Amino acid sequence: DIVMTQSPDSLAVSLGERATINCKSSQSILKSSDKKNYLNWYQRKPGQPPKLLIYWASTRESGVPDRFSGSGSGTDFTLTISSLQAEDVAVYYCQQYYSIPITFGQGTRLEIK
Amino acid sequence: VQLQQSGPGLVKPSETLSLTCAISGDSVSNNGASWNWIRQSPSRGLEWLGRTYYRSKWFSDYALSVKSRITINPDTSKNQFSLQLNSVSPEDTAVYYCTRGMSVAAFGPWGQGTLVTVSS
Repeated sequence: DIVMTQSPDSLAVSLGERATINCKSSQSILKSSDKKNYLNWYQRKPGQPPKLLIYWASTRESGVPDRFSGSGSGTDFTLTISSLQAEDVAVYYCQQYYSIPITFGQGTRLEIK
Repeated sequence: VQLQQSGPGLVKPSETLSLTCAISGDSVSNNGASWNWIRQSPSRGLEWLGRTYYRSKWFSDYALSVKSRITINPDTSKNQFSLQLNSVSPEDTAVYYCTRGMSVAAFGPWGQGTLVTVSS
């Protein structure tokens, strides 16, 4: 199984400041056939199911604000929120879709400082 | 596309957990999609359990951790899919979600979630 490890486990950032969450996979999730990284980011708010933010490591899902961006390749990935808003308080998960079983990171809890 | 889950929230140990996910706005037979069950618990985090999908015939994949106990079946007549997990124990207590695997290799949308408690 591909193990996904996020850092940090929790993060407190001031409103308007940048938030950065890291995700590392135990093996490369860059598929050579299409040159795509099979890495997704989700946001989960209390009482709600996860919501897709970013797929293929850096493509924003339709309707996701442009303050959310994803980067990285191979085994190291980053989710950046450029200017934190109050509604961004949530738990964020990375997920690999490269191989079965599909696996998630343990989550990073983002709070307002 | 919307997914609507149904099923009991309380199951006794050693019995079978059964949940259904009704699909609107897409087809369970969609050649480009997969239909997945995922659960979340404090001890296991988000855990993918398995999927069913149609590519000229029906396929299924399951997580090794539940492979001996799980069945995910499509129901084309009702445009839905189901989860059966046998011989449950308290460790199977979790919020269970159904979700679609999309052609962009990501999940969305998700069902509303069902808290299933395994207790006598």
